[in-house]
Amino acid sequence: QVTLKESGPALVKPTQTLTLTCTFSGFSLNTEGMRVTWIRQPPGKALEWLARIDWDGDKFYSTSLKTRLTISRDTSKNQVVLTMANMDPVDTATYYCARMRDKWDFRDSWGQGTQVTVSS
Amino acid sequence: DIQMTQSPSSLSASVGDRLTITCQLSQDISVYLNWYQHKDGQAPKLLIHDASNLETGVPSRFSGSGSGTDFTFTITSLQPEDVATYYCQQYNNLPFTFGPGTKVNLK
Repeated sequence: QVTLKESGPALVKPTQTLTLTCTFSGFSLNTEGMRVTWIRQPPGKALEWLARIDWDGDKFYSTSLKTRLTISRDTSKNQVVLTMANMDPVDTATYYCARMRDKWDFRDSWGQGTQVTVSS
Repeated sequence: DIQMTQSPSSLSASVGDRLTITCQLSQDISVYLNWYQHKDGQAPKLLIHDASNLETGVPSRFSGSGSGTDFTFTITSLQPEDVATYYCQQYNNLPFTFGPGTKVNLK
């Protein structure tokens, strides 16, 4: 059974760096074809694809946010970490990690999301 | 990046109504499109992959069609539990992108 769970601070101050951890089970990021993606949803707004890390270490970022995002993995812990620098109140959102269905991975599983508020 | 639009942005319909949502993209993505259902407080749920293939366990009142740049999502008989926001999402070109969403309410 594939599960993913997000963790991190519920509140960050403007200009701080946000660090979120996705802890997953039921698959390994060492296995060919596996990928983990981060997505967010600000209140009242649409889902936004943020970043992805692949089994071979490749990393991909949202064009508009790539200067602020870093995605990394710890395969021994089955974790993927997303950092977002220079947080702003507009970054207030629910952040999800997911194994998303695509051309090569036929499984679609999401965490329940973690709410992050940016406020001084 | 691929730009995506969805129409309408919101709609109100009655139980039993047929409703259609369109998703238009700025580039050809073949059939590499997902449709998600997102309810408040829950994780998004994948309903359709590869533009027209129903996920296992998803009711047959949901369907999708299209290829290239124009796609359609249909609910043939709206049920109360279908109240949600629906998103198209392309996975042909990185970075993958979501449409702006269509909010479905009951009249």
